[in-house]
Parts: sequence; C-alpha cells; structure tokens
Amino acid sequence: NAGVTQTPKFQVLKTGQSMTLQCAQDMNHNSMYWYRQDPGMGLRLIYYSASEGTTDKGEVPNGYNVSRLNKREFSLRLESAAPSQTSVYFCASSESRTYGYTFGSGTRLTVV
Amino acid sequence: QKEVEQDPGPLSVPEGAIVSLNCTYSNSAFQYFMWYRQYSRKGPELLMYTYSSGNKEDGRFTAQVDKSSKYISLFIRDSQPSDSATYLCAMSDGPGNQFYFGTGTSLTVIP
Repeated sequence: NAGVTQTPKFQVLKTGQSMTLQCAQDMNHNSMYWYRQDPGMGLRLIYYSASEGTTDKGEVPNGYNVSRLNKREFSLRLESAAPSQTSVYFCASSESRTYGYTFGSGTRLTVV
Repeated sequence: QKEVEQDPGPLSVPEGAIVSLNCTYSNSAFQYFMWYRQYSRKGPELLMYTYSSGNKEDGRFTAQVDKSSKYISLFIRDSQPSDSATYLCAMSDGPGNQFYFGTGTSLTVIP
C-alpha cells in the first residue's frame, strides 16, 4: 500500500542507548516530519524537512537528530536515550508544507 | 497557554446522533485548519482541510471556522460506530509554517 512506512513498530531501550527510527514514503512528497505524541500533550513537532537536502528544528528538538537521506527517507536518531523520550513517534509527509499530512502508523518507544 | 485548546472528552453518543467537536486557539494569525481522525494505536488520517473562514462539507463531515471567535468545529452527521476514534485539530499561520495540534477528543458512538 502507498503511504508512510515506519520501522520499528515497537522498541525498548535502556537509558543511554542509541537508536535510529526509520521512515520512508512512496508518494513523491517533498516535505517530511517527525512528531512525538504524549498523553495530554498532543502531537509535537521534533524536526522537519521541507525538501530534500534541508532539515529544521521544530518545537521539541533537544536530544534528537535527523537525516533526510533522499526524497523518500527521513530518519530520526536518539543518541543517548532518556526516560523522558518514552513516547509514540510518528513520521509524516506532505506534498508541501501547506498541504495535509499523511502519517505513518507510529513507533512505540519505551526508555527504561 | 497552549496555542490550541481541545476538550479531551471522552464524548459518548448514540448511533445516528450529530456530533460536534471543537477547538479554540489564541493566535489570530492562524488561517490553515485541519481535522484528523486517529483510531486506537494507529496514525492520524486527514479528514478535512480548510483555509480561512467558512464551512466545508465532505459527506457526513462539515468543518466550520469562525476566525472572529478563534473557534473551529467539526460536525459529524448520522454518526456510526466506525466513527469511534480520537479527533485532532491542527492549525497554522501560513504557508511553510508549523502546524500546531490539539490534544484530541475521544469519541465513542454506541450502536
């Protein structure tokens, strides 16, 4: 099915470990995003990439890094995981920043 | 103060009822508005996208924007059990700018 694919779907990390969340879209969208969703906080933007070759910080970038590998792929890296990063992470893409987003199914991350 | 406020509910209605979901916001510059539906343990899916004020209808769904009151609504007519989900609003103040999301309203439609 066309859309946004995220891997892994679930992950448990120990404090201090690192990991990369992968995201790929097959809709030829220009813009891609990483959000985290926490109870009572809603969706908060971590990083975004308006187009291939560019990345910018969102609302909550601390503790994260991103790479726009090519037009299809946008990865999110946690260098040293902390319990505060326990969350559900969503990748999204859109044709441009004024269009609606297509979201992936999410990665449920627990940091112990 | 949050950019976008949304009553978390939960909201429970009988099948066939008209549902009204609402968001308020503080930034008068917001002009792009979206509504998403999110089923449990799934990603949000776009329902409606509107620009500036007025109404937009798509099947059983109607999105309404009142910029003077800084208030947006999503109406669901003839609600179905399959409408049971969390509904998120999102808004932005211009092209290329960040969308701010509400926390979502949980809706259950009882058969």
